[in-house]
Amino acid sequence: DTAVSQTPKYLVTQMGNDKSIKCEQNLGHDTMYWYKQDSKKFLKIMFSYNNKELIINETVPNRFSPKSPDKAHLNLHINSLELGDSAVYFCASSPLDRGRETQYFGPGTRLLVL
Amino acid sequence: GQQLNQSPQSMFIQEGEDVSMNCTSSSIFNTWLWYKQEPGEGPVLLIALYKAGELTSNGRLTAQFGITRKDSFLNISASIPSDVGIYFCAGQRGSARQLTFGSGTQLTVLP
Repeated sequence: DTAVSQTPKYLVTQMGNDKSIKCEQNLGHDTMYWYKQDSKKFLKIMFSYNNKELIINETVPNRFSPKSPDKAHLNLHINSLELGDSAVYFCASSPLDRGRETQYFGPGTRLLVL
Repeated sequence: GQQLNQSPQSMFIQEGEDVSMNCTSSSIFNTWLWYKQEPGEGPVLLIALYKAGELTSNGRLTAQFGITRKDSFLNISASIPSDVGIYFCAGQRGSARQLTFGSGTQLTVLP
């Protein structure tokens, strides 16, 4: 069974469109994350979220917004897509275990903005 | 900005050889994690380290949490073709639960 799943795996869209990427984890973890991986494979945190706190990386444009309908889901909504948004987006989750952080990643969503 | 320096950037080795890669930082980290990413997939957790000086193995993989808490290394012994991929170190600082990733080491194993 897939622990952290994302849909879609591939997303091709036009500049200016609004799109959403879905993420679900069945691990019972309390915190979920979104990362962006650029063409040089560098992984950068975008958001971390649990039911108490949303932490936003200050470099993320406000066109990106996480939405969590429940503890097992954290979706990423992107408004007015730009060419530079093309990247691979990874969802991750982690359990609450103070001092012993681990994060488990989904398979990624490959976004191409034309 | 990026706070972890990972090296080497890429490695080409013969099957059966041992591999070593490391991450260093100017900051102290509380946790070091090592991940492997294969093409078209997400990073998979290999080893987690939580204590300065800790040495942990996972099969042919061994990783250590540096005593200064500013570095970590990963060794792979007797490499095989399926070891091919990008290996990332990641660190967690302070009370924040966010990870900072290294730039990755691309490993190629030649038969």
